[in-house]
Amino acid sequence: AQRVTQPEKLLSVFKGAPVELKCNYSYSGSPELFWYVQYSRQRLQLLLRHISRESIKGFTADLNKGETSFHLKKPFAQEEDSAMYYCALRGGYQKVTFGTGTKLQVIP
Amino acid sequence: NAGVTQTPKFQVLKTGQSMTLQCAQDMNHEYMSWYRQDPGMGLRLIHYSVGAGITDQGEVPNGYNVSRSTTEDFPLRLLSAAPSQTSVYFCASSGLTSGASYTDTQYFGPGTRLTVL
Repeated sequence: AQRVTQPEKLLSVFKGAPVELKCNYSYSGSPELFWYVQYSRQRLQLLLRHISRESIKGFTADLNKGETSFHLKKPFAQEEDSAMYYCALRGGYQKVTFGTGTKLQVIP
Repeated sequence: NAGVTQTPKFQVLKTGQSMTLQCAQDMNHEYMSWYRQDPGMGLRLIHYSVGAGITDQGEVPNGYNVSRSTTEDFPLRLLSAAPSQTSVYFCASSGLTSGASYTDTQYFGPGTRLTVL
């Protein structure tokens, strides 16, 4: 079985402060991990994926297989980062499982 | 390309009524899925399909049926609506795009907000 855990429902930070959204996963095989974002009144959209090792909008995420984690980080939060963030895992047979989401609130 | 489209945007049903949520994509994607989004529960997978004629259950399939007769369409049927099915439903697709390399990005529809009274 595959499972994604996001322990924080809400994360509030001040503008300019560092951000870390936590994601832990459980999967017996080699996982493919993603972060999706949903801005207010918009569709869910891909933010980044671990295989690309990319930085999008200043966000990065590193897959730590030892700790089974894929935390999302940004050194300096911006007000426009306020949104709902979902961690997702694609496991066997294309099945994609999402976490419960973390609402990021950036305080001006 | 229209991407992933869903109809209707809003729907109110009475307990026991049936209805079909429509989902279509024009990206020639193999993989399509339905999720429901509830406060504090995140996105939960209802059913998914890896190609025409192939469907499988997700985490919360009870009360929902799906079929995949074409690559483009993946309707979700509620046979007898219950208040517990009040939610926002999202359809998503991913897979091979026409003329491009494989993409594992899931593209989401705008959602259908369903209320069951």
